[in-house]
Order: sequence, then structure tokens, then C-alpha cells
Amino acid sequence: GQNIDQPTEMTATEGAIVQINCTYQTSGFNGLFWYQQHAGEAPTFLSYNVLDGLEEKGRFSSFLSRSKGYSYLLLKELQMKDSASYLCAVKANDYKLSFGAGTTVTVRA
Amino acid sequence: ETGVTQTPRHLVMGMTNKKSLKCEQHLGHNAMYWYKQSAKKPLELMFVYNFKEQTENNSVPSRFSPECPNSSHLFLHLHTLQPEDSALYLCASSQDGPGTGNEKLFFGSGTQLSVL
Repeated sequence: GQNIDQPTEMTATEGAIVQINCTYQTSGFNGLFWYQQHAGEAPTFLSYNVLDGLEEKGRFSSFLSRSKGYSYLLLKELQMKDSASYLCAVKANDYKLSFGAGTTVTVRA
Repeated sequence: ETGVTQTPRHLVMGMTNKKSLKCEQHLGHNAMYWYKQSAKKPLELMFVYNFKEQTENNSVPSRFSPECPNSSHLFLHLHTLQPEDSALYLCASSQDGPGTGNEKLFFGSGTQLSVL
């Protein structure tokens, strides 16, 4: 099966930077997604990486290293509304998305 | 009106009940999915429908029965469930199905199911 690992919880202060790591061991690789899920709400798409490197989108950036089976999501200038669960998902050779268990980020004032 | 709508938001049922979850997408997508989300566990893919045809059944017990009458609607019929089936059931859609390169998922808010 596919294996996606990410930390369970992280806490940071408003205005700070937090980096959420995701490592994966999958049967092939065809892309990696990050989703944000607020409590009681739908997961929403944040980013998609298929090539190595950094993709920047406003305060959020996502990095991928395919040779290391590694990605991170970087959240800058943290705001209270960024408190949520962040899901890493990898598309393997079967083209099905395999999700990690999610990282709950708590932003404190 | 959000892109993917699920009803009901919450459902409590006994093990002998029969109930159905409903999902509707207003995005013009061709693929729809059911996922199960248990606390502290990864999302588990249950079923995939592409152009109304089921293309994936991820070894889901027969007490879960999906139905896709058209590309905009997806149902999950539930009967004789077990307490361990209690979870958040998420519906999602994508423009096209797996393997097409156009699989960015749009999720509904889910149905929180409790089986007593």
C-alpha cells in the first residue's frame, strides 16, 4: 500500500511561519496535493506539485523533492484563520489519491 | 450555493436502520467520489464514478451501496451498519476521472454519521 506521513499537530504564533512536512512511499508518483480543512468544513485545494521545486501562492508555498519522497507546505505570516487541518495527498501510479492523516495547525495569538 | 452539497450534515442511526446520504455537485464535473474520514486517520477512498459508471470499489463492505443516477448526483445507501462505521463521509467531484490529469478534487462538507 501507499504510505504518507505527516506530523499530527503543530502550534505556532500569529505572524510566524510554520512548515508542515510530508514524506511518502508510494508505487510511483504522479503528483502531490495539499488541502486545507477547517473543523466541520470541506477540504479545500491549496496546491499541486508534480515537478521538483517550490510553488508559491501568496502566503502559502509548497515544495517537492521527488528523489527524497518529500514535500512541505510553508505557511507565512500566520493568521488565526489558518488554524485548520492540512492534508497531504499523493497520486501514485494507479492515479488514485492516497491521503496522509492530516496535520492540525493551531495558531495562537 | 457551494460547488458540492451534501445532505444531511449529521445523521444518527441504529444498526438496523436504512438511510441514504445525498451529494450534488453544481460544477459540471464528470467524476464523483465517496470518501470516509475517521478521526486521526487518512481519508479512505470508497467509490469512484466517472460519467455515471462505477470505476472503483475500494473493497467496501456491501452494507454501503452507492448509486449515481447522473453526473451531478451521488447517493450512498446505508443498511445494517456497525458502530465502527461512524465517521465523516465526504463526497467529492473532479472535472475528469483518475488518470486524466484533471483530478483536482472539490469536496462537500460531509455527513457526520453516528451508528448506535
